[in-house]
Amino acid sequence: DIQMTQSPSSLSPSMGDRVTITCRATQDLHDSLAWYQQKPGTAPNLLLFGASRLASGVPSRFTGSGSETIYTLTITSVQPEDFATYYCQQYYITPYTFGQGTKLEIK
Amino acid sequence: QVQLVQSGAEVKKPGASVKVSCKAAGYTFTGHFIHWVRQAPGQGLEWMGYLSPNHGLTIYAQKFQGRLTMTGDTSISTAYMELNSLRSDDTAMYYCARGDNWYFPFWGRGTLVTVSS
Repeated sequence: DIQMTQSPSSLSPSMGDRVTITCRATQDLHDSLAWYQQKPGTAPNLLLFGASRLASGVPSRFTGSGSETIYTLTITSVQPEDFATYYCQQYYITPYTFGQGTKLEIK
Repeated sequence: QVQLVQSGAEVKKPGASVKVSCKAAGYTFTGHFIHWVRQAPGQGLEWMGYLSPNHGLTIYAQKFQGRLTMTGDTSISTAYMELNSLRSDDTAMYYCARGDNWYFPFWGRGTLVTVSS
């Protein structure tokens, strides 16, 4: 199985800060990588797919990059509604696997 | 608009089975796979497997092989996930999600399954 490791596990940015979350895979994903945002008590929400393609309705302050085994999610200017937990997911091969999550907490 | 409406919360005893439903609306049910993802309390996301409603094809994560069954009823656009021999560590929120090229833009609200004696 492909293991996905996210870092950091938590972050406490200030409003307007630039934030980067990294996801490392144990093998080349060929850009088959998605990012989700999850707020307490709700289902995950797709942010990006194909490593860098923005999902419908997602603000442009969310960007994705990377290749092979290392991918990043960047929020260029953190807004109040961005405080949530973020997960990466590889869909290159089954079993599809998620990172353990990165929690963005209000400073 | 696309909607996935899941059945209500369940409480089961260890060793029992649970069957969760996921009714699709707003799109052609047979045109997309349905995936199931679970999340234990305070934990991360775990992919369980998927169903192709068009063909009845299923793929399950190995850890659930032998305990998990996914089915679909195309006449009512509903997918089902049945998990047998429940244990306390199966306590989780179970989500269905529509697969679009293997990522998940649409999710149900989740069904909480509690396993407790």
